[in-house]
Formats: sequence, C-alpha cells, structure tokens
Amino acid sequence: SYELTQSPSVSVSPGQTATITCSGDAFPNQFAYWYQKKPGQAPVLIIYRVTQRPSGIPQRFSGSGSGTTVTLTISGVEVEDEADYYCQSADSSGTYPVFGAGTKVTVL
Amino acid sequence: QVQLVQSGAEVKKPGASVKVSCKASGYAFAGYYIHWVRQAPGQGLEWVGHIFPNSGATHYAQNFQGRVTLTRDTSIDTAYMEMTGLRSDDTAVYYCARGDSPVPFDHWGQGTLVTVSS
Repeated sequence: SYELTQSPSVSVSPGQTATITCSGDAFPNQFAYWYQKKPGQAPVLIIYRVTQRPSGIPQRFSGSGSGTTVTLTISGVEVEDEADYYCQSADSSGTYPVFGAGTKVTVL
Repeated sequence: QVQLVQSGAEVKKPGASVKVSCKASGYAFAGYYIHWVRQAPGQGLEWVGHIFPNSGATHYAQNFQGRVTLTRDTSIDTAYMEMTGLRSDDTAVYYCARGDSPVPFDHWGQGTLVTVSS
C-alpha cells in the first residue's frame, strides 16, 4: 500500500490564504482529489483531477501540483471554510483509493 | 438529482455482524461504483471497498479483506455493506459514495453510525 502525507493543521484569519499540502509517490502519475469534511456532515468533493472545481464550489478553492506534492489553496478564507480537508488519490493500478490523514483548518 | 440514502444507526455487540444499506436514486445505478468509507471518532476517512453494480465486481481495502462483503440489488438500486466479527474499534460512521471510476467520489450518503459496545 502507499500513503499520502498531509500537514496536520493550519490556522488562518478570515480573508487570508490557507495552503494545504499533500505528498505521495502516487503523484503525478495519479490524479489528486480534495474533500471538505465538516462535523456531522458527509464529505464534499471540492477539487478533482488536481485543479478542477466541481460546479457549485466557490472559486476561492483551487488546486495545483508539482512533482510528488499537490496543494489545495483557499484564497480569502471565510469562517465557513473551517473544516477538515482530505486529499485522495489511487494506487498505481488506479483501482484502490487512498485518503490522506486530513488537515484541520481553523479560522481564527 | 443524485441521492444516496443510507439505513439507520445500529448498535451491535462485539463479535456480531452488521449490514448497512445504501439506496440510490436520480441516476443509472448500475453504471457507477458504490464506495464505502468510514470515519471513526476523532479519526480520518478510511476507504473500505467498492462494488461496480453492473458486474458485481468488488475490491476491498486490505484491512477489511475477509471481514466485509459488498453486495448490490440492481432491481431496487440498493447497495449493501456487511461487516462481521465486529470489534469496538469498528465504531464509526459508515458512508456510501458514488463514483464513475475508482476515484473520485462525487456524491455521498448521509452516513450510518455503527456503535459496537458490550
């Protein structure tokens, strides 16, 4: 099996930029995906294929990648963005999904 | 619209089994993977396995191989996850989710809390 390594936590003030990284040997051969998870709610897909944003996801969420690291950026953070964020990818066969351990974003 | 509606919370004793259902609507059930993911209290998301309803083909995470069985009933657009030999550390919210491939998961059920306690 393989792993995705995320920074454990990020603290940011409203209006500032939050940057969350995810590293893994799966990149760049496999795409990266990002989910937002709030307590008591199901996860929501916010970025797919490294940089793409599903319809309905605010433009302040963006994704990028370089080598074995992918990054989720939240520009102009809002209080409602306080949540856990998980990166996801798949193994080399593309069959078995894996999640990173999650990054807690706290909006001060 | 796409909806995944899961069965209600369960309380089980150690060693027992549990079967959680996931009823799909708003799309062609057979043509999309149904994934199962769990989140234990204070922990992260953990992929359990997936089934492709059209063929019934399944894949399981190594941690759950032999203890989890995924099935589906295409006549009622419903997927099932059965876990046997429950332990206290299986206490978690279990989610089903849809995907048109092994990744990503674009729609999720509301979650089912499974509590394992003596």
